[in-house]
Amino acid sequence: NAGVTQTPKFQVLKTGQSMTLQCAQDMNHEYMSWYRQDPGMGLRLIHYSVGAGITDQGEVPNGYNVSRSTTEDFPLRLLSAAPSQTSVYFCASSYSSGGAYGYTFGSGTRLTVV
Amino acid sequence: QQQVKQSPQSLIVQKGGISIINCAYENTAFDYFPWYQQFPGKGPALLIAIRPDVSEKKEGRFTISFNKSAKQFSLHIMDSQPGDSATYFCAARAFGSGSARQLTFGSGTQLTVLP
Repeated sequence: NAGVTQTPKFQVLKTGQSMTLQCAQDMNHEYMSWYRQDPGMGLRLIHYSVGAGITDQGEVPNGYNVSRSTTEDFPLRLLSAAPSQTSVYFCASSYSSGGAYGYTFGSGTRLTVV
Repeated sequence: QQQVKQSPQSLIVQKGGISIINCAYENTAFDYFPWYQQFPGKGPALLIAIRPDVSEKKEGRFTISFNKSAKQFSLHIMDSQPGDSATYFCAARAFGSGSARQLTFGSGTQLTVLP
């Protein structure tokens, strides 16, 4: 049982380059989300999805794009990388059922933009 | 606007001692309050969670205390061990729709337990 799988684990980009961070879950969770983690700021929500074909913005969406064509996959695209996007990115999948909630996080992608 | 405020930023405790981390929130729509533990190079992992209809929840050495009127909740780690050394995040989730149903995190506490 893989849970939430993120690739790559590490990436270095030059300013202006684009890339896609991959996220896949095998728990058939309805919800998926992307967070970025920066020192002293906790995790901040970038984008989230409540099901295939449905996405919406979180707290810090600028410079990022998402799509959700299947239940399993939720890629995060950086359109034109900037040094301010240097961070650790976490993907999470979650469910909500009968008042119970469950969130599972991936192991993260450490991105450096130079 | 930080909806969940966490303190302290760092905490050093002797082995066997009690570690206490506090969080305060503003949004009265929050209805789920989890604590996450994160080791270096890993993603956050759920430690323990509480709903606002109870004032305390205990799982092994970990206890959440919840004060609804003060809009505060805290994590107590009893008999702290060096293996507990990690970063701890409080979080909250609101009922309703949209981004409110996603987790809002505190800023994190770096806990070090000395042997």
